[in-house]
Amino acid sequence: QSALTQPASVSGSPGQSITISCTGTRSDVGGYKWVSWYQQHPGKAPKLIIYEVSNRPSGVSNRFSGSKSGNTASLTISGLQAEDEADYYCSSYTTSITEVFGGGTKLTVL
Amino acid sequence: QVQLQESGPGLVKASETLSLTCTVSGGSITGYYWSWIRQPPGKGLEWIGFIYYGGSTNSNPSLKSRVTISVDTSKNQFSLKLSSVTAADTAVYYCARRNGYNRFDYWGQGTLVTVSS
Repeated sequence: QSALTQPASVSGSPGQSITISCTGTRSDVGGYKWVSWYQQHPGKAPKLIIYEVSNRPSGVSNRFSGSKSGNTASLTISGLQAEDEADYYCSSYTTSITEVFGGGTKLTVL
Repeated sequence: QVQLQESGPGLVKASETLSLTCTVSGGSITGYYWSWIRQPPGKGLEWIGFIYYGGSTNSNPSLKSRVTISVDTSKNQFSLKLSSVTAADTAVYYCARRNGYNRFDYWGQGTLVTVSS
C-alpha cells in the first residue's frame, strides 16, 4: 500500500491559519469516513487530534478542524500558536482492512 | 487513564527476530484492537499491523511475511515479532490502541530498536 501524500512542510505566522492536505485514493481516503490526524512533537509519541474526518477528541483545541473532499482530506489550524509547531500525520483506513499513514508535514510557526 | 508501555531489546542483530511486548495498564485489553506502528529515525510513521483481543490480526502487506502479532489477555499484553530484520527495520516502535476504525487514541512512549550488522 502506498503512503498518503502530504506536503513536506508548511509555515505560518502566529494568529494565521494554515491547511495541510492529505491525498489518497478511492481505496482509502476517498472510500471511508475513517481519516485521522496526529500531532507529533520532537521525541514524543504522536497525539490524536482529529478522527473520523472532522471529530476532535476531548481536550483538543477547537482551533484544529478537519474536512474531506473526494480523495483528499485536510487539516486546518486556525489562530496559529508557537506550540503548534510540530509534525502532522494523516491516516486512513483502507479497503484491505489495513491502515496507512501520510508521509508527514512539518509545520513551522514563523 | 489507559497507559501503554513497550518493552524489549533495543539492539537486534541482522537476520534475527525482533520481539517487543506492549503492556496495557489502566484499562482492559478486551474489546479493542491493538496496533504496532513504527518510525525510522527522521522519517514518517508506518503502520505495521493490528490484533483484536479475540486474536484476529492483519498486517501491512509489505511486512506481512515477516510479522507475527499475538495477544495475552490474562497479562493485558500484546506482542510483535518481526523476523529476518535488516538495517531498514531500525526504528522507534510504538504500540497503540485502535478505538474503532483508524482512531489511535492511546500510544506508548515508543522504544528504539536498532538492527546491527
